[in-house]
Amino acid sequence: DAKTTQPTSMDCAEGRAANLPCNHSTISGNEYVYWYRQIHSQGPQYIIHGLKNNETNEMASLIITEDRKSSTLILPHATLRDTAVYYCIVRVAYNQGGKLIFGQGTELSVKP
Amino acid sequence: KAGVTQTPRYLIKTRGQQVTLSCSPISGHRSVSWYQQTPGQGLQFLFEYFSETQRNKGNFPGRFSGRQFSNSRSEMNVSTLELGDSALYLCASRASPTDTQYFGPGTRLTVL
Repeated sequence: DAKTTQPTSMDCAEGRAANLPCNHSTISGNEYVYWYRQIHSQGPQYIIHGLKNNETNEMASLIITEDRKSSTLILPHATLRDTAVYYCIVRVAYNQGGKLIFGQGTELSVKP
Repeated sequence: KAGVTQTPRYLIKTRGQQVTLSCSPISGHRSVSWYQQTPGQGLQFLFEYFSETQRNKGNFPGRFSGRQFSNSRSEMNVSTLELGDSALYLCASRASPTDTQYFGPGTRLTVL
């Protein structure tokens, strides 16, 4: 079963920051939070991941709360091409297989 | 580096037939995972192979099987196709079971 809860959909104005929340209250200490996105019928694209600390790369920033029960993906300047379904995933610990369990994701619509 | 490639990209079969899908991982990646994506069930994990051994399996019937070759390429087979097997089948590779997974574009299977 998915270990994450996300809003079903969100809108964002082009050029503004998109903040996508995710709850993962049952996360274990050695489980990572991963974010992927999927543009219609394409393969999911890796965005970013983290364990405890906030992370930033060329695509996005990931803010993880101190208790690790929730996180936020930030797209700093959303463009129309960022319209996609965004999946927040808790990766199962390695000794339990390390697989990704996808939830339903958040459908982000970036509007002009 | 070339990404994950999947062949064929589209496939149409009839009920009762069998089908084999192929996945070539990113060069140097030894782990290959397979996922099924349908509108009703979302993205579901099928199985993972690492160094030619299946190390993890999802909750799918025995009609779904796979294998991995010594060059890390993987095939997935579905026997006795059913209408409900119509889906986007995604392959993902990673260097090892603790690393980030990267997805291919998928194979769209339609069962008539």
